[in-house]
Amino acid sequence: KNEVEQSPQNLTAQEGEFITINCSYSVGISALHWLQQHPGGGIVSLFMLSSGKKKHGRLIATINIQEKHSSLHITASHPRDSAVYICAVRPEMYSGGGADGLTFGKGTHLIIQP
Amino acid sequence: NAGVTQTPKFRILKIGQSMTLQCTQDMNHNYMYWYRQDPGMGLKLIYYSVGAGITDKGEVPNGYNVSRSTTEDFPLRLELAAPSQTSVYFCASSPLPPGTGVGYGYTFGSGTRLTVV
Repeated sequence: KNEVEQSPQNLTAQEGEFITINCSYSVGISALHWLQQHPGGGIVSLFMLSSGKKKHGRLIATINIQEKHSSLHITASHPRDSAVYICAVRPEMYSGGGADGLTFGKGTHLIIQP
Repeated sequence: NAGVTQTPKFRILKIGQSMTLQCTQDMNHNYMYWYRQDPGMGLKLIYYSVGAGITDKGEVPNGYNVSRSTTEDFPLRLELAAPSQTSVYFCASSPLPPGTGVGYGYTFGSGTRLTVV
């Protein structure tokens, strides 16, 4: 069974701090997604990774396929980064047709204080 | 603005009632999904569609039905609502088959918070 574990579950930091959120999974994957869920509930897709590293603004996502681990980093954090960050993976051997096959983590609740 | 539109945003149902959650996207995406999010849990896939006229079950389909008569619309029907269906429901769409392309992402609706009492 594919498990996705995120850490920490909750994180409170001061504005300007460098933030790291971790995601570990238990099976080989073809893709890993990072999503951001705003306090109002809306979900935004941040990254899809299959290897290496991606950067968008102050957000950086890395993945280590051998270690089955991904990290989401936020540089120069700001209160508007406060949200729940969700990791989701698609198993490498998924054969469910058009279904997304994603297993979602429970999310990391991040609060950035001014 | 282009995107995925869900209605209603909030709804309270009595046990045994029925309702339809509406989802519309204007990005011409073939792939559409319905998820539910329970407190402290990860999102779970209810149903999905790979194009107009084609739907299939996800991980937790019991108690729900869907239809996809057009590319734009993917309504989710709850028949005989039960307290276990109290959840937040998200509709999403994507342009490509999952896992087949780099750079694609999901576009999510803003969610429907449903309470069954």
